[in-house]
Amino acid sequence: GQQVMQIPQYQHVQEGEDFTTYCNSSTTLSNIQWYKQRPGGHPVFLIQLVKSGEVKKQKRLTFQFGEAKKNSSLHITATQTTDVGTYFCAGPVSSNTGKLIFGQGTTLQVKP
Amino acid sequence: EAGVVQSPRYKIIEKKQPVAFWCNPISGHNTLYWYLQNLGQGPELLIRYENEEAVDDSQLPKDRFSAERLKGVDSTLKIQPAELGDSAVYLCASSLSGLRADTQYFGPGTRLTVL
Repeated sequence: GQQVMQIPQYQHVQEGEDFTTYCNSSTTLSNIQWYKQRPGGHPVFLIQLVKSGEVKKQKRLTFQFGEAKKNSSLHITATQTTDVGTYFCAGPVSSNTGKLIFGQGTTLQVKP
Repeated sequence: EAGVVQSPRYKIIEKKQPVAFWCNPISGHNTLYWYLQNLGQGPELLIRYENEEAVDDSQLPKDRFSAERLKGVDSTLKIQPAELGDSAVYLCASSLSGLRADTQYFGPGTRLTVL
């Protein structure tokens, strides 16, 4: 069946360092969504990418969607302690439903 | 605007006991989702409703799990009887519609512990 994989599973960085998480799908995706879950919290929608090769920025966060629409990445520049949490990517199971398959997430720890 | 509301936030029960979770989606959201999230994993869809109709329940273990969404608003998810392996966080989410482009908004979840 369709799978969405994320690497790395965990990342510890010093505050101020950059961070990147990668997301790979076994199938072509119509779009990819990114969510952030703080410790003890629930997933919160960050962004959606739709177009091949699309790049979107939110302050220090840069999101990319691959040309083949099978992979994506999230890059955080100069991490802060507020960036701590687990970042999930998710893609729709088929082209016409809202059913999402989530990756297993990348947990980011930031040392002050 | 109020977000997705879930209750209870925490529940501890003994195995073989029944348990129920309640979800109130964001007003006007037609699509409601129940997810299961195990520790260290991403959410996994259990069931999806379009208004009051369950349109995708392929991942719901129907021998012990049931769900309903009467009147197409609130929803309840029930487990009877609960097993040790059911310990997890049960998340409810809603979106305007079930289209692929719609953002899903998650509730705070119910953390279930089965002893």
